[in-house]
Amino acid sequence: DGGITQSPKYLFRKEGQNVTLSCEQNLNHDAMYWYRQDPGQGLRLIYYSQIVNDFQKGDIAEGYSVSREKKESFPLTVTSAQKNPTAFYLCASRRDRGGTEAFFGQGTRLTVV
Amino acid sequence: KQEVTQIPAALSVPEGENLVLNCSFTDSAIYNLQWFRQDPGKGLTSLLLIQSSQREQTSGRLNASLDKSSGRSTLYIAASQPGDSATYLCAVRLITQGGSEKLVFGKGTKLTVNP
Repeated sequence: DGGITQSPKYLFRKEGQNVTLSCEQNLNHDAMYWYRQDPGQGLRLIYYSQIVNDFQKGDIAEGYSVSREKKESFPLTVTSAQKNPTAFYLCASRRDRGGTEAFFGQGTRLTVV
Repeated sequence: KQEVTQIPAALSVPEGENLVLNCSFTDSAIYNLQWFRQDPGKGLTSLLLIQSSQREQTSGRLNASLDKSSGRSTLYIAASQPGDSATYLCAVRLITQGGSEKLVFGKGTKLTVNP
């Protein structure tokens, strides 16, 4: 089946650790995105990539890093510099830059313990 | 700065009612608008996409309208069912002056349809 797969579904991190969230898509989409969702707030853009080997910061990029070495993969690393990392993280993709529909994965819930 | 507002924040209706969810945005220079559904603890499911040149889109019992000049969109759900219970999010796509692009989301309307 075509779609976006995020893993793991739940992730626990100790203070001071870096963790990496996986996002894979087999839709042959060019653009991929990472959003953060907190209770009572709308989704906020962390990073996005419109093409392999290129990515841009979103509105809340501090404490996060990404890579886009392959078209189908866009992993997000939550570093120890992110002061409040507990949140629900959503990955999305679109076919190209323009008026096409965005599709989302099922999310990863990250909790700092 | 583009802001997206959804009213009401929560809505509870009996099964079978027709209902309207509202979305407003402050800057009319949008590329398109997309409505999503989110179930608790899950990702977003795309419902309807309206391009800036379009006035409405329909899918089954759902109809979304767009009035770009007034900065408003509505999602109409006909003959609501308990399975429609979820949070509904609207998002506008912007192309910035620097050539970057992003979706700006509202906070959502939590819908409960009671049997």
